[in-house]
Amino acid sequence: GQNIDQPTEMTATEGAIVQINCTYQTSGFNGLFWYQQHAGEAPTFLSYNVLDGLEEKGRFSSFLSRSKGYSYLLLKELQMKDSASYLCAVILDNYGQNFVFGPGTRLSVLP
Amino acid sequence: SQTIHQWPATLVQPVGSPLSLECTVEGTSNPNLYWYRQAAGRGLQLLFYSVGIGQISSEVPQNLSASRPQDRQFILSSKKLLLSDSGFYLCAWELGADQETQYFGPGTRLLVL
Repeated sequence: GQNIDQPTEMTATEGAIVQINCTYQTSGFNGLFWYQQHAGEAPTFLSYNVLDGLEEKGRFSSFLSRSKGYSYLLLKELQMKDSASYLCAVILDNYGQNFVFGPGTRLSVLP
Repeated sequence: SQTIHQWPATLVQPVGSPLSLECTVEGTSNPNLYWYRQAAGRGLQLLFYSVGIGQISSEVPQNLSASRPQDRQFILSSKKLLLSDSGFYLCAWELGADQETQYFGPGTRLLVL
């Protein structure tokens, strides 16, 4: 089976930096995605990593190590609006139906 | 630019009643389309996907069905709802051709009583 693990909940302070980890054990790997999902809303795309290393996009960065089956999402200069769930997802191959989501990490940003 | 619509936004239905949820995509042609369900506190579960008109594949056997009568329309249906069908239903689209990022519609929150 496919397994993706993330911490269930995290709390951080406004202005701080937080790292959300994701580990995966899957039968295939063709890329890893991070989505942000505010309560009651649909997930929105944040980042896509297919090669090892760090991808930076404004306040958000995503890192991938394929050999370790590990990724993290780094959020800098946290804002209250960053309070949301963050979903890690792996696509197993070239077919979109083989897109496996992790359970998500609920991040609470406190003033 | 591409947009994806879902309706209704929320729905409360009694057990045993039928269901029809609609998803439409604008601004793209021949997208791959997906139906996911997100139960409270759980991850997204893929229900159906479609790579073209009339082409539907099911990932999880259940009392739901899907249809794609037009290129940019994807419908999720049930003849008789169960309590366990409650959840947040999300439609997603993808360009295909190795453009693997999936983009989600606003979702439909279904409560079966």
